[in-house]
Amino acid sequence: KQEVTQIPAALSVPEGENLVLNCSFTDSAIYNLQWFRQDPGKGLTSLLLIQSSQREQTSGRLNASLDKSSGRSTLYIAASQPGDSATYLCAVKGMTGANSKLTFGKGITLSVRP
Amino acid sequence: GAGVSQSPSNKVTEKGKDVELRCDPISGHTALYWYRQSLGQGLEFLIYFQGNSAPDKSGLPSDRFSAERTGGSVSTLTIQRTQQEDSAVYLCASSSVRDRGRSEQFFGPGTRLTVL
Repeated sequence: KQEVTQIPAALSVPEGENLVLNCSFTDSAIYNLQWFRQDPGKGLTSLLLIQSSQREQTSGRLNASLDKSSGRSTLYIAASQPGDSATYLCAVKGMTGANSKLTFGKGITLSVRP
Repeated sequence: GAGVSQSPSNKVTEKGKDVELRCDPISGHTALYWYRQSLGQGLEFLIYFQGNSAPDKSGLPSDRFSAERTGGSVSTLTIQRTQQEDSAVYLCASSSVRDRGRSEQFFGPGTRLTVL
């Protein structure tokens, strides 16, 4: 059974800092990995999707990497801003089974202090 | 363009009542998913629809939960005889499943269900 872990559960940093959010998963048989952002009381916004054949994806100040063999992904946020404060979730789409469900970590709640 | 929409946004009900939650996927998306987000539990998969195939119901927590997808578009998640532990945010997602590796899931805003 696939398990996705995100540690720590919460992180507080001063504005302007570069930071790395970690995600690990137990089964490397995945199609892709997705990073999401969730604001309080809101749904999920997709940030980046990395296919299993890729090593990284970039969008603006965000860069996500994937090391499938070791079961790890990182989300790098450059020059953090207070508007980046949210919960960040990673999710993997497994190859096992007939469906394409995502298995999620519990998320990292990020607070960027002005 | 229109994203995934869900209704109602909030639902408060009494224990024992039935509730229906609705999801409108992105037009043209053949795959539709329901997930549940509970405090302390994270996001859990409930059910998956793909085209005209039989749905994957492996994530439904009990037989009080059911879902249908009419005409390959709108989906309704029904919870019968609601219990307090059903209180959660119910999220719907859709994707265009042409290539599993590329298919990105897009989420709706969710329905917050509170069972008193």
